[in-house]
Amino acid sequence: DVKVTQSSRYLVKRTGEKVFLECVQDMDHENMFWYRQDPGLGLRLIYFSYDVKMKEKGDIPEGYSVSREKKERFSLILESASTNQTSMYLCASSLLLAGGSDYGYTFGSGTRLTVV
Amino acid sequence: AQSVTQPDIHITVSEGASLELRCNYSYGATPYLFWYVQSPGQGLQLLLKYFSGDTLVQGIKGFEAEFKRSQSSFNLRKPSVHWSDAAEYFCAVGAGGTALIFGKGTTLSVSS
Repeated sequence: DVKVTQSSRYLVKRTGEKVFLECVQDMDHENMFWYRQDPGLGLRLIYFSYDVKMKEKGDIPEGYSVSREKKERFSLILESASTNQTSMYLCASSLLLAGGSDYGYTFGSGTRLTVV
Repeated sequence: AQSVTQPDIHITVSEGASLELRCNYSYGATPYLFWYVQSPGQGLQLLLKYFSGDTLVQGIKGFEAEFKRSQSSFNLRKPSVHWSDAAEYFCAVGAGGTALIFGKGTTLSVSS
């Protein structure tokens, strides 16, 4: 069974901390994504990566950075966490960038981050 | 700019009744179209997808969706809703060299 695994389901961090959210996929997918999900706003793309060490900004990259040193791992970094970054973070991977394959995007279970 | 609209924020349907969730998109060409479902506290699960060909596509859990190019729509349907279908549903659109764009979601409640 194909999998995208996010290392934490729940995280509580303090304002100003540097926060790392980790995502690992076992499908040998080229593309990986970080979305943020907030009530009433749906999923908004933060960053994506189409290859190792390659990244592209999404719609809301401010306050975030990413790292992809290995194909299977894509990390989201909050450089200095703020309360407005309290949210559900979803990682996904796909064979094709626009999802045009049998599986579309495969999502992890999400990390609910609370910044206090 | 590309966009996806789900006009209904919240829908309540009686168990056993039929369901239709609406999705409209704005895209320059025929995109890839998807419906995902999210149960509380979970990630998103793919229900069905449309790439090309037959405009009526079947998915998992008894869902189907119809692509209507003239209306730029991809509505999700189910003939008889079960209580376990209560969840949030997302329509998504993608094409070429862009990542998927998601609608804001429709929350489905099922009443007994």
